[in-house]
This record gives sequence, C-alpha cells and structure tokens, in this order.
Amino acid sequence: QSALTQPRSVSGSPGQSVTISCTGSSSDVGGYNYVSWYQQHPGKAPKLMIYDVNKRPSGVPDRFSGSKSGNTASLTISGLQAEDEADYYCCSYAGTYKGVFGTGTKVTVL
Amino acid sequence: QVQLVQSGAEVKKPGASVKVSCKASGFTFTGYYMHWVRQAPGQGLEWMGWINPTSGVTNYAQKFQGRVTMTRDTSISTAYMELSRLRSDDTAVYYCARDLIAAAVYWYFDLWGRGTLVTVSS
Repeated sequence: QSALTQPRSVSGSPGQSVTISCTGSSSDVGGYNYVSWYQQHPGKAPKLMIYDVNKRPSGVPDRFSGSKSGNTASLTISGLQAEDEADYYCCSYAGTYKGVFGTGTKVTVL
Repeated sequence: QVQLVQSGAEVKKPGASVKVSCKASGFTFTGYYMHWVRQAPGQGLEWMGWINPTSGVTNYAQKFQGRVTMTRDTSISTAYMELSRLRSDDTAVYYCARDLIAAAVYWYFDLWGRGTLVTVSS
C-alpha cells in the first residue's frame, strides 16, 4: 500500500486560507468515506482534526474543514493563525482492514 | 484521566527484537481498537496495524507482516507491539493510538501515547 500523496509544503499569511490535498486511488480515498486528518507540532504526538471526511472532534476550531472529491481529499484552514503552523497528515481506510497515511504537508504561516 | 502511557526509549542492535508497551487508563481498554503508528526521524507517519483488545484479533500492514506481533493483557489494560529482526531503518518513534469509535475500526486516532523512541544501531 503506497502512501497517499500530499504537497510537501503550503504557506499563507495570517487570516488567509490554505488547502491541503491528499490524493489516493479508488482503493482508498476514492473508495471509502473513512478519511481523517492530523495536525502534528514538532516533538508532539499527532492530533485528530477531521474524521469521516468532514467531521470535527469536539474542541477543534471550525476554521478547519474537510472535503472529498473522487480520489482526492482536502483539508482547508480558514483564517490562518500562527498556531496552525505544523505538519498535517491525511489518513484513509485502504480496504482489507488496513489503513494508509499521506506523505505529510508542512504548513507555514508567513 | 484518559491517557495512554508508553514504555521508555530503547536501544537495540540489528537483528534483535523490541517490545513496546502501551498502558491505557481512564477508559474501558477493551472498548476500543488500538493501533500502532511509527515515525522515522524527519519522516511521515506510517500505520503498522491494529489489535482488537477484546478478542486479540490483529491486522498488520503488509510491510510488517511476519515481523510484527501485537498483543494485549486485558488484566492490566496494556497493549504491546513487538518488532523482530530489527534493521537500522526501523529507528523511529513508535506510537500507540486509540480508535475514536467504540468497538469499531475506522483509523480515526483520537488518543495517542507520547511515543517510544526505538534506536537500532550496532
């Protein structure tokens, strides 16, 4: 199972919006609505930000939103803030009770 | 307090095995699937597999089949991940992570341990 493809980095100024893509195939992202997104700050464990493609766990700001079209899922951060600077990973069910992560994207707040 | 507490850092020689523990507290251990995820230095996250703490049933990523064994001890609410025939590229932080949905596996990791650094070096 190959890792899902994410851009290596994206950047934006405070207050702007950024979107991170996560491209897979019909065997994973495109075949199921079991997509989640994680935020990871340096030296810390990842944090669940989005699940079920577009649902936010309690406590996650509504600036974070998720969507999916075909084989590509997306995470959008609206109203970018300094604390949003981190690495972000997507994750998808990939069939036969296995999962796969994306390659990861570094978000920089300019 | 809902948390996962992992065992401490390990240094192993190539060819050896390592067993990492993950003790759950503050929730019903047998109610949630437990996953293991690793992250090599400066690299991304890699899913390794899961264990159903109730039944002990496991499912491993193909990459680790034959080298990884996930077990649990329900009497002490602890999950274990053992990786054998270690190589230098197994050097990584190993995380245990709980699935969000009770009694189901969705790859939604809502609770993470702090990670265990395993260093493989001769």
